Amino acid sequence: SYVLTQPPSVSVAPGQTARITCGGHDIGSYSVHWYQQRPGQAPVLVVYDDSDRPSGIPERFSGSNSGNTATLTISRVEAGDEADYYCQVWVSYSGLFYVFGPGTKVTVL
Amino acid sequence: QMQLQESGPGLVKPSETLSLTCTVSGDSISVYSWNWIRQSPGKGLEWIGSISYGGKTDYHPSLKSRVAISVDTSSDQFSLRLTSVTAADTAVYYCARGRVGTTTYYIDSWGQGALVTVSS
Repeated sequence: SYVLTQPPSVSVAPGQTARITCGGHDIGSYSVHWYQQRPGQAPVLVVYDDSDRPSGIPERFSGSNSGNTATLTISRVEAGDEADYYCQVWVSYSGLFYVFGPGTKVTVL
Repeated sequence: QMQLQESGPGLVKPSETLSLTCTVSGDSISVYSWNWIRQSPGKGLEWIGSISYGGKTDYHPSLKSRVAISVDTSSDQFSLRLTSVTAADTAVYYCARGRVGTTTYYIDSWGQGALVTVSS
């Protein structure tokens, strides 16, 4: 089965840039999607297809994907960005389809 | 604006069957793919399975023997059945809409989630 890795936590000061990585074998050949989950709430899609943003998501959220690492970048971090962030790929081999990373807790200092 | 709402018992006894229904409003259930995803307390997201508008189902291999997802297009609902539950199945269960991007699927809408506790 395909496994994604993420750092458990990232800390960042307000106004600075947070970078959250998602590792996987040759992940650059997959499309990666990112979700934000604030405490007690359902996840929200923030980036899809590596770098596209759904309507309503600030331009501060951006994504990239190459080689064995995909990255979600949050620029000009705000207190409201404090949340868990999950990466996700869709794979169609070995019967497993949606694969989520373990999540990264972003703490705004 | 499309909304998804989970409903069902919040408490299920061990060895019994967990049943949840998701009601879709504001959009047709006859397109897209419809999913169940769960999150154990303090843990990450786990995809359970999906059903397409054509009725094709796919399930997580580790749950495949215990899971069934069905759709009722006349009521704009889809449902989850998970048999022989144990405490390990205690989780918040989300229903969610999947759509295809450039080449792969992602989740673009989520229900608020339903906490199901397995306990006697």
